[in-house]
Amino acid sequence: GQNIDQPTEMTATEGAIVQINCTYQTSGFNGLFWYQQHAGEAPTFLSYNVLDGLEEKGRFSSFLSRSKGYSYLLLKELQMKDSASYLCAFMDSNYQLIWGAGTKLIIKP
Amino acid sequence: KAGVTQTPRYLIKTRGQQVTLSCSPISGHRSVSWYQQTPGQGLQFLFEYFSETQRNKGNFPGRFSGRQFSNSRSEMNVSTLELGDSALYLCASSLGASGVGETQYFGPGTRLLVL
Repeated sequence: GQNIDQPTEMTATEGAIVQINCTYQTSGFNGLFWYQQHAGEAPTFLSYNVLDGLEEKGRFSSFLSRSKGYSYLLLKELQMKDSASYLCAFMDSNYQLIWGAGTKLIIKP
Repeated sequence: KAGVTQTPRYLIKTRGQQVTLSCSPISGHRSVSWYQQTPGQGLQFLFEYFSETQRNKGNFPGRFSGRQFSNSRSEMNVSTLELGDSALYLCASSLGASGVGETQYFGPGTRLLVL
């Protein structure tokens, strides 16, 4: 079967670093996406990983290990505007996205 | 370039009614996917349309249907509404059909409340 899991909620301090983990199980894999969704708004694309390793994009980085079925999103120098839900999703063998329930990130001053 | 637009943004219906939601993709994008989002659950895939053809369908009952027009605009219809259909309905567009590296861009969603 297929499943994907990420923590429901995390709290971090402004200026700090936070890592949001995502684990998945699937027989067919065509990449993993991370999206950010502010309350009441549309999800916006953050990153895509299809090969193992770390992809860095400014304050945000995403890591993938296909053998472990594991990804994380790393946010550095946290700002209050980073308070949002972070959604991970993998693309299965039918090129369909399977989504996690999202991690609500709360940033405290 | 204008983003994905969805209309209406909010909708209140009663059980048994039907509803039609509309989605206009980013100019030049030919694929539209629809999702249902409810609190505590991940986005649930409804269907994907590419070049007016349904490419993929999620695990939803036949009350949920959709179509795509020649200009890539898409509509989703839900008939015989149930209380459990209350959700945020998101559409996402991509340049090509879903595939490796194909990124989806989301609209603001239509929030449907069924009473």
